[in-house]
Parts: sequence; C-alpha cells; structure tokens
Amino acid sequence: EAQVTQNPRYLITVTGKKLTVTCSQNMNHEYMSWYRQDPGLGLRQIYYSMNVEVTDKGDVPEGYKVSRKEKRNFPLILESPSPNQTSLYFCASSTQPGLISYEQYFGPGTRLTVT
Amino acid sequence: QQPVQSPQAVILREGEDAVINCSSSKALYSVHWYRQKHGEAPVFLMILLKGGEQKGHEKISASFNEKKQQSSLYLTASQLSYSGTYFCGTEIVGYGGSQGNLIFGKGTKLSVKP
Repeated sequence: EAQVTQNPRYLITVTGKKLTVTCSQNMNHEYMSWYRQDPGLGLRQIYYSMNVEVTDKGDVPEGYKVSRKEKRNFPLILESPSPNQTSLYFCASSTQPGLISYEQYFGPGTRLTVT
Repeated sequence: QQPVQSPQAVILREGEDAVINCSSSKALYSVHWYRQKHGEAPVFLMILLKGGEQKGHEKISASFNEKKQQSSLYLTASQLSYSGTYFCGTEIVGYGGSQGNLIFGKGTKLSVKP
C-alpha cells in the first residue's frame, strides 16, 4: 500500500530536549516536505527536499533541521524544542514539481507538545 | 507568500452550492486543492497547471485564471461528506518552470448541515 508514515504520532516533551520525528514513504517520490499546522494559520512549510542531499528552507524553518540521506526518509529534527513549536506536524511526499502528477501524499501527522 | 483564501468559513445546507477562492500575488505554475477532515491528514482533490491541464476527482470542479493568479473551487449539490477544511496550494513560477515548493493558504472551513 502506498503510504507516508510518521513516528511518533504523539509526543510530549520538555523544553530543550532534542527530538526527531521520522518520515518515510514507499512510493519512490523525489519530493518530500514538512509542514506545521496551527489553528488559523493553515499549513506552513518548514523545509522541503527536491531529492537526496537537496534540501531547502520553507517559510518557517527557524528551530528545525532536516536531512535527506536516503530517498525514502526525511526526518525532522528539533535540536532544542521550545513551547512555540507545539503544533501538529505533517510530512508529505510527491513526484517532482511542475508535473500533473505533483500530488502531495500526506502522512497521518505528529502532534507535538513542548512544555 | 501564502495564497489568500476566501471566504474563511461557510455554512451550507445539503444540496446547496459553494465557491471557494484562492489568490496569489505571484505568477503561478499550478494550483492545488486539498480537503482535510477533522483529525485527519489533508487529501488531494485537484491540480490545475498553467496552460490548462488538470487532474482531479470526478465530482470536483475548479478553475484557474493564470493572468489574475486566481483559482476557484466549485462545490455543487453539497453533501454532508463535503464538510471539512479546504486548502489551496500554489506552485510559483520560477526559473525554467516551477519554483518547486508548494505553499498552502490558511484554509476555508466548510460545514454542511442536514
């Protein structure tokens, strides 16, 4: 089954404790992206990756890191989480931009709470 | 850089129609539409490319005015299952084609009542 998986689905942590949210897709997609969703603000892009070893900042990259060492995986790293990073996070994958097939497949989401 | 969606919210009775609009200040390569139900991930509805090509679900229709950098999603004869938040996503024109990333609007909450 074609899917994007994220782990963990729920996480409560404390300020400053490094954490990683994993994202994996089994569709051989080149493009992967991370979004955060907050009430009233929609889906805001954190980072995106056009292919392996190619990453770029989205609209809200501060406080986050990513890496793309393999095509299927795109982990999101919070080196020193703060309460303003409490949010719902979605990973998405797709074929290359600019194509009619550039349809985003979203993971189930990770609800993060930083106290 | 986020596209602007209107209205922010709309309430319908079953069988009524609705139009959701999306506009950008940048030249657009494509516009996407997604629906998100409460507690779930967004789900793809439609993509419209500059030049006229489009792909999407049979019961969904949308338009894309490249010159005005606007798109509209048309929901006709609404059903209870149409309830959710609708997001437009925009792919901006860049060097040689698409700039690459997809930027979403803040969403339009649609509620369909019996």
